[in-house]
Amino acid sequence: AQSVAQPEDQVNVAEGNPLTVKCTYSVSGNPYLFWYVQYPNRGLQFLLKYITGDNLVKGSYGFEAEFNKSQTSFHLKKPSALVSDSALYFCAVRDIEAAGNKLTFGGGTRVLVKP
Amino acid sequence: EPEVTQTPSHQVTQMGQEVILRCVPISNHLYFYWYRQILGQKVEFLVSFYNNEISEKSEIFDDQFSVERPDGSNFTLKIRSTKLEDSAMYFCASSPGQGSGNTIYFGEGSWLTVV
Repeated sequence: AQSVAQPEDQVNVAEGNPLTVKCTYSVSGNPYLFWYVQYPNRGLQFLLKYITGDNLVKGSYGFEAEFNKSQTSFHLKKPSALVSDSALYFCAVRDIEAAGNKLTFGGGTRVLVKP
Repeated sequence: EPEVTQTPSHQVTQMGQEVILRCVPISNHLYFYWYRQILGQKVEFLVSFYNNEISEKSEIFDDQFSVERPDGSNFTLKIRSTKLEDSAMYFCASSPGQGSGNTIYFGEGSWLTVV
């Protein structure tokens, strides 16, 4: 079975400050990890993914995420947050060894960036 | 940039009525999915579809649900007899190929309200 935990329902950060959104995962085998963002009344937009290779992955809009196998984490980061980054962020995992291609999502973290 | 398109964006239906949600996946993609998000809850996998048949489904996807690819471009989700608890945002998604490292791209969603 595969699962994702996002321990924070909401993260508040001042504009210009670093932003971190936490994610931990559980899979039987090795993971593929994804981050998606959902703006109000919109669909899920792909931000970045970890498949293999460098543990630090860079994605859209200046976001990056670090895969840490020993801590089973894949935290999303942005060095300097913008007000426009305010949205709902979802971490998702897929077990490489599991049959099928489905993603399992975390509960989401609402990010509020204040001017 | 190619995108997944969904119609309708919002539908209100009476309990017990049949609903069809429509999707046009990205044109060269091979895997198609439906996910749903009940208000305030996490995004949940419903079904995946490949090579004109269901490849995986969740326990949510019971006999009242069905999917179809009636032609070369559309992918539909039918709910045979809607219940109040079917009220949710339904996301169609597609991915390029069989490899589980492929990114899944989501549409904007169809809000279904069952009254």
